[in-house]
Amino acid sequence: GAVVSQHPSWVICKSGTSVKIECRSLDFQATTMFWYRQFPKQSLMLMATSNEGSKATYEQGVEKDKFLINHASLTLSTLTVTSAHPEDSSFYICSVIRLGKKNIQYFGAGTRLSVL
Amino acid sequence: DAKTTQPPSMDCAEGRAANLPCNHSTISGNEYVYWYRQIHSQGPQYIIHGLKNNETNEMASLIITEDRKSSTLILPHATLRDTAVYYCIVRPNTGNQFYFGTGTSLTVIP
Repeated sequence: GAVVSQHPSWVICKSGTSVKIECRSLDFQATTMFWYRQFPKQSLMLMATSNEGSKATYEQGVEKDKFLINHASLTLSTLTVTSAHPEDSSFYICSVIRLGKKNIQYFGAGTRLSVL
Repeated sequence: DAKTTQPPSMDCAEGRAANLPCNHSTISGNEYVYWYRQIHSQGPQYIIHGLKNNETNEMASLIITEDRKSSTLILPHATLRDTAVYYCIVRPNTGNQFYFGTGTSLTVIP
């Protein structure tokens, strides 16, 4: 069964609004979650590492004020795209590490964001 | 992180074995080789991983060369549902981040 739940699966919003995406680990606690972005016909790009109880670590070139990450509990991390613009339209995917399970990273189903 | 090189695309006849190569010539001693696949518009799915020994599970086999500079993912009997982009990733067992390359787009042909 699914290890990671991501919501919503698809969102359309107007330019200038903010969108929140949730990532939940099911049946286990995840101290670390990851957020990726994928543009059409391209590979996944790691955006940031979300650490429970502390600030996220962002990859070079990713604006932390634009992509707000909150990891307030051991089962939930959220990514908020603030003041979204059409160029932020993309496929956003979260993942979690299931410790003790050979450090396998499990991915959510992804969220398709379309900014009009 | 070690980088990987994969052919951009491959075709395979349904029912035949699909052999997907990956070159990771700069891999270091503590880095594992992971394979994931991504079916269109879905999140990546874990397939298999290994350090230096060959591995097999219900989905696939992973063959790692003795010098660990390359590996091959084998899908023994490809089906149409195996059509996907396959990513080969190397990362240390102590590290958490995965950095994806461009992958191989596998098309299984009826």
